[in-house]
Amino acid sequence: EVQLVESGGGLVKPGGSLRLSCSTSGFTFSRYSMNWVRQAPGKGLEWGSSISSTSNPIFYAASMEGRFTISRDNAKNSLYLQMNSLRVEDTAVYYCVRGGMGATKDDTFDVWGQGTMVTVSS
Amino acid sequence: QTVVTQEPSLTVSPGGTVTLTCASSTGAVTSGYFPNWFQQKPGQAPRALIYSTTNKHSWTPARFSGSLLGGKAALTLSGVQPEDEADYYCMLYYGGVRVFGTGTKVTVL
Repeated sequence: EVQLVESGGGLVKPGGSLRLSCSTSGFTFSRYSMNWVRQAPGKGLEWGSSISSTSNPIFYAASMEGRFTISRDNAKNSLYLQMNSLRVEDTAVYYCVRGGMGATKDDTFDVWGQGTMVTVSS
Repeated sequence: QTVVTQEPSLTVSPGGTVTLTCASSTGAVTSGYFPNWFQQKPGQAPRALIYSTTNKHSWTPARFSGSLLGGKAALTLSGVQPEDEADYYCMLYYGGVRVFGTGTKVTVL
């Protein structure tokens, strides 16, 4: 069974840092691009970042560029999101999402984790 | 700032048909935007329904179909079931960056 399990969420003060992890199983992780998508409480979905199977290329939404860093460890079948300079508006559930194989433009976003909650508050 | 706009809410009767649309602030949506559609029910993670405009996943019910309609991406639900009541989001591709639509709440009444 294909599974994505996020961890690392929690409560952090504005300006603080947090590192999210996504542990995967049930598929050949090294062949797939991966994404982070977030959803603020009561709001819609927001795409945040993608990373190709080889870690190049990487893309960010403007809201995350310069503060967040996506990375992966294919040997550990894991995806990461390092979040620095956190703001109150970064409060959201963060989902790890499988993109697809091959060219990332036609990624299917077919598998989603259950999400991890990040709360930024003083 | 690119904005992808969907109808805020739509109501449909059981067994009826409803079409949701997805418009881009940059102009007409084409297949090159690789539209994806997702369904989300309260308290659950989103579920993928459609990718690359028209393609269904193995779990996507046959009553869901994707298309391009009048310069927008579209998701049509035919023969709507009570369990189709949910929020629906489109997502468009902009050369590496992706943008989700504002979401449509579908009520089955």
